[in-house]
Amino acid sequence: GQQVMQIPQYQHVQEGEDFTTYCNSSTTLSNIQWYKQRPGGHPVFLIQLVKSGEVKKQKRLTFQFGEAKKNSSLHITATQTTDVGTYFCASPNQAGTALIFGKGTTLSVSS
Amino acid sequence: EAGVTQFPSHSVIEKGQTVTLRCDPISGHDNLYWYRRVMGKEIKFLLHFVKESKQDESGMPNNRFLAERTGGTYSTLKVQPAELEDSGVYFCASSPPQPGNTIYFGEGSWLTVV
Repeated sequence: GQQVMQIPQYQHVQEGEDFTTYCNSSTTLSNIQWYKQRPGGHPVFLIQLVKSGEVKKQKRLTFQFGEAKKNSSLHITATQTTDVGTYFCASPNQAGTALIFGKGTTLSVSS
Repeated sequence: EAGVTQFPSHSVIEKGQTVTLRCDPISGHDNLYWYRRVMGKEIKFLLHFVKESKQDESGMPNNRFLAERTGGTYSTLKVQPAELEDSGVYFCASSPPQPGNTIYFGEGSWLTVV
């Protein structure tokens, strides 16, 4: 079945350092969505990318969708302690009946 | 507007017992999804309802899991009998009828089977 591979699984940074998580698929994705789950919380939608090569920014977060629509990245500039949590990418399956999630990247930030 | 609500928020049951989780989606959201996250692992799709119909239940692990959505409103997910490996967080999510919409998650039902 469709899989979205996400790396790294864990990342620890010092506050102020940058952070990037990557998602890759062997198949072309119709769109890719990013979610953040705080410790003990539930996944919260961050953004959706649809177009080839699309780049979107939300304050310190930059999201990219690859030209071939097979990969995506989330980059956080100058991390803060409030950025801690697990970041998931997700994409619809081919039938469009379900959102398939990557395994997530858990970010920890020390001050 | 109320979000997706789930009940109970936490449940601890013994192996072999039955647990029923309930999800109330956002009003007007025809699509309702159940997901599960076992400790430290990915958010795994269980099934998808469109109104009262099961659109895709390919992620249901086995026949100990039964999901219903009578009347196309709230949904229940029953685990009977529960096993230790069923422990995890069960998330419900909903989205509007139009395809391509993002989905909104509830806060999850944290299940511990001991």
